[in-house]
Amino acid sequence: KAGVTQTPRYLIKTRGQQVTLSCSPISGHRSVSWYQQTPGQGLQFLFEYFSETQRNKGNFPGRFSGRQFSNSRSEMNVSTLELGDSALYLCASSFDVGTSGGRDEQFFGPGTRLTVL
Amino acid sequence: AQSVAQPEDQVNVAEGNPLTVKCTYSVSGNPYLFWYVQYPNRGLQFLLKYITGDNLVKGSYGFEAEFNKSQTSFHLKKPSALVSDSALYFCAVRVLNSGYSTLTFGKGTMLLVSP
Repeated sequence: KAGVTQTPRYLIKTRGQQVTLSCSPISGHRSVSWYQQTPGQGLQFLFEYFSETQRNKGNFPGRFSGRQFSNSRSEMNVSTLELGDSALYLCASSFDVGTSGGRDEQFFGPGTRLTVL
Repeated sequence: AQSVAQPEDQVNVAEGNPLTVKCTYSVSGNPYLFWYVQYPNRGLQFLLKYITGDNLVKGSYGFEAEFNKSQTSFHLKKPSALVSDSALYFCAVRVLNSGYSTLTFGKGTMLLVSP
């Protein structure tokens, strides 16, 4: 099976712009989660989608949003970019996180490295 | 609220020696515990998990972890370290909450294995 893919792998934007990141989960996986990784804050949970519905949301401002399509592919959008948004954004998929009781491990993509200038 | 602590920012070990990467957790309820590894410029790779049953869990690449409920710990171990094990290791915890749950990660521990 192909792994989780994320596009683009690298992005450079300037403050005030917006950006859209894409994630294609492993075939058959229905849950997609997004994380932000920075040297200072580590891995922080952004949100999780299951069957096109946002099921959980982390403590991030409303500038961060996401969605999931019927084929389980997911996008996240960051509007009005700030310097502090520079990070590695990781997408992870699992067969089902919720109804399985949280037993399923997540499989991560390689990430999108976002640099905000 | 759930949390994970990895008390060591870095662990140094010589190749061939046993290694331990420490993890303690705090949750309300029964935890599901995971270890992941991250190589430079890569995403996280799943190593092993504890859900229920035997306290000693065996995973990929010769790694194992021991769940200790009384000490709320889930330390990662390997009997003989390889230079290629050098990477960033993350412990994570999840607990079922109202039907859904999020995965909380520790800050990560850098493992450096010297030849």
